[in-house]
Amino acid sequence: ETGVTQSPTHLIKTRGQQVTLRCSSQSGHNTVSWYQQALGQGPQFIFQYYREEENGRGNFPPRFSGLQFPNYSSELNVNALELDDSALYLCASRGTAGGRNEQFFGPGTRLTVL
Amino acid sequence: AQSVTQLDSQVPVFEEAPVELRCNYSSSVSVYLFWYVQYPNQGLQLLLKYLSGSTLVKGINGFEAEFNKSQTSFHLRKPSVHISDTAEYFCAVSLDTGRRALTFGSGTRLQVQP
Repeated sequence: ETGVTQSPTHLIKTRGQQVTLRCSSQSGHNTVSWYQQALGQGPQFIFQYYREEENGRGNFPPRFSGLQFPNYSSELNVNALELDDSALYLCASRGTAGGRNEQFFGPGTRLTVL
Repeated sequence: AQSVTQLDSQVPVFEEAPVELRCNYSSSVSVYLFWYVQYPNQGLQLLLKYLSGSTLVKGINGFEAEFNKSQTSFHLRKPSVHISDTAEYFCAVSLDTGRRALTFGSGTRLQVQP
């Protein structure tokens, strides 16, 4: 059973650019969530996807968008990057039935916006 | 909406001493409670969780936590810490519903000194 993987590990962008971050869910997991962790803070929920549909969103603007694919991998897209978007972006997957209460986190993508 | 307060941003402790990391939550409905650990430059690892049943929950690496509904607390304890326990610890809650998005506290930095 493979764990949650994310790519790239680090990324540097400039203000106004667009970025795509990728996540491969743990095998058998059909729900993926994305979190933003600013330096020195706890992670904040961005949104969640279940079976390729967004089914929950935190307090983030529409320029944060996502996709989930049939193989349950997913993407986080951020348009018009701002300096405050600099953070560690974590994805987490969870399964169904007895495994639905535990989220497994990937190692994260560190995004720096200059 | 639910919220989580971690009362200590940093906790210094000597090796082999006991430690308690404090967490209080606020919610008008039933919640699930979690403690995660984050080692430097890594993602989040689940230490333990409370879903229902016994209020004393045992987790990995010798950690345990006690759910106190009247005080809305979920403090994390370890009777004897090791240098390797140095990390950031996050308390989190999720609603007792299908979405299961996590709301995190701001974290407590546990610094174990020799």
